[in-house]
Amino acid sequence: AQSVSQHNHHVILSEAASLELGCNYSYGGTVNLFWYVQYPGQHLQLLLKYFSGDPLVKGIKGFEAEFIKSKFSFNLRKPSVQWSDTAEYFCAVGPVGGFKTIFGAGTRLFVKA
Amino acid sequence: EAQVTQNPRYLITVTGKKLTVTCSQNMNHEYMSWYRQDPGLGLRQIYYSMNVEVTDKGDVPEGYKVSRKEKRNFPLILESPSPNQTSLYFCASGGKGVDEQYFGPGTRLTVT
Repeated sequence: AQSVSQHNHHVILSEAASLELGCNYSYGGTVNLFWYVQYPGQHLQLLLKYFSGDPLVKGIKGFEAEFIKSKFSFNLRKPSVQWSDTAEYFCAVGPVGGFKTIFGAGTRLFVKA
Repeated sequence: EAQVTQNPRYLITVTGKKLTVTCSQNMNHEYMSWYRQDPGLGLRQIYYSMNVEVTDKGDVPEGYKVSRKEKRNFPLILESPSPNQTSLYFCASGGKGVDEQYFGPGTRLTVT
């Protein structure tokens, strides 16, 4: 069955702490991987994506993610979080050239100032 | 400005009263999709459309209908809403290959 599992539903960090959000997926075939972010009161927007090539991808606002094919994982990282990173983060996977995207349950991050 | 718009943004209705949530995009995208977001479940895909007159079911299509008569519009229809369809609904669009989806602002639906 196709699924995306996000390890933490709620994370609370202090400013300047490092962040790592786990994401594992189960999806047959070659996939594209995404992290989306939803800031309070705003639309979901793309944070970063992996299609092919270098498994370490960089996105906006200092975020990066590493695709580890053998572990079916696509973990999101940021070395030093800011209060403005408070948001809900969604990992998503979709087939290459396809249309059916599966989202994880989301991780709510709260950063204390 | 490139955007996906949804209307209405908030809707409270009663069981069984047909409703339509509209979605429109101005980016000439082939792909459009509807999701519902529920606490602890993330976003679940309801229906998607690869192009005009081409639609397919997502993971939770029961109780919903869609149509794609024009490229820019992709309305979501609830013929007979029930309380378990109370949710936050998002419309999204994307170009060929769906390398990125652009989301609308969401429609919060309450069915009593």
